[in-house]
Amino acid sequence: DVKVTQSSRYLVKRTGEKVFLECVQDMDHENMFWYRQDPGLGLRLIYFSYDVKMKEKGDIPEGYSVSREKKERFSLILESASTNQTSMYLCASSPRGASGYTFGSGTRLTVV
Amino acid sequence: GEDVEQSLFLSVREGDSSVINCTYTDSSSTYLYWYKQEPGAGLQLLTYIFSNMDMKQDQRLTVLLNKKDKHLSLRIADTQTGDSAIYFCAGTLNNDMRFGAGTRLTVKP
Repeated sequence: DVKVTQSSRYLVKRTGEKVFLECVQDMDHENMFWYRQDPGLGLRLIYFSYDVKMKEKGDIPEGYSVSREKKERFSLILESASTNQTSMYLCASSPRGASGYTFGSGTRLTVV
Repeated sequence: GEDVEQSLFLSVREGDSSVINCTYTDSSSTYLYWYKQEPGAGLQLLTYIFSNMDMKQDQRLTVLLNKKDKHLSLRIADTQTGDSAIYFCAGTLNNDMRFGAGTRLTVKP
C-alpha cells in the first residue's frame, strides 16, 4: 500500500524553538507539498517542491522553510516557532502532471 | 489561480442522500476532486472527474460537473454514519491544487 508518512502525530513545542516536521513518501513521486489546516480556513499551501533540491513558496510561506535533499523526503522547518503556528500540518505527494494527491495522516503541532 | 468555495456544514439522516456542493472560479481546471477527511486523519482521495465530463458514478458516489456554472457536486446515496467526515473539493491546474474550506457532513441515526 502506497504511503506518505509523517514522523509525528502530535507535537508540543515552546515559543522560539526550531521545529522540524518530516515527511517521507514511498511512491517515487516528483511532487511534494506542505499544507496547514485550520478550522474554517481549509488547507493553505505553505511550500511545495517539484523535484529534489527544488522548492517553491505557496500562499503562506512566512515563518517556514523547507528542505528536499532526497526525492522521498520533504521537511518543513519552523525557524522560531510562534503560537500562531499552532495548527494541523499535512504533507502530500503526487506524480508529475495533473493527478490526485496522497496525503499523510497529519501532525498536530501545538506551540506554547 | 483557482478559488474554491463550499458550504461548511451539512446534516442528514442515515439512509438519506447527501449532496455537497462546490463552486470554483478557474474554468481551465483540468481535473476536479473530492477528498474525505475522517477525524484525526489526513485527506483521502474519494473520486475525481475530468473537466470534459459532466457526470461520474462510483458505487454510492455520483459527481456532477456543470462547467457553464462552474459548479461541482458530490452525491452520496444511502448515507451511513461512517460517511460522517469533512469533504473537500479541489481543482487543479497543472501541478497546483486548490482546496475548498471543507464541508462537515454529520449523519444522524
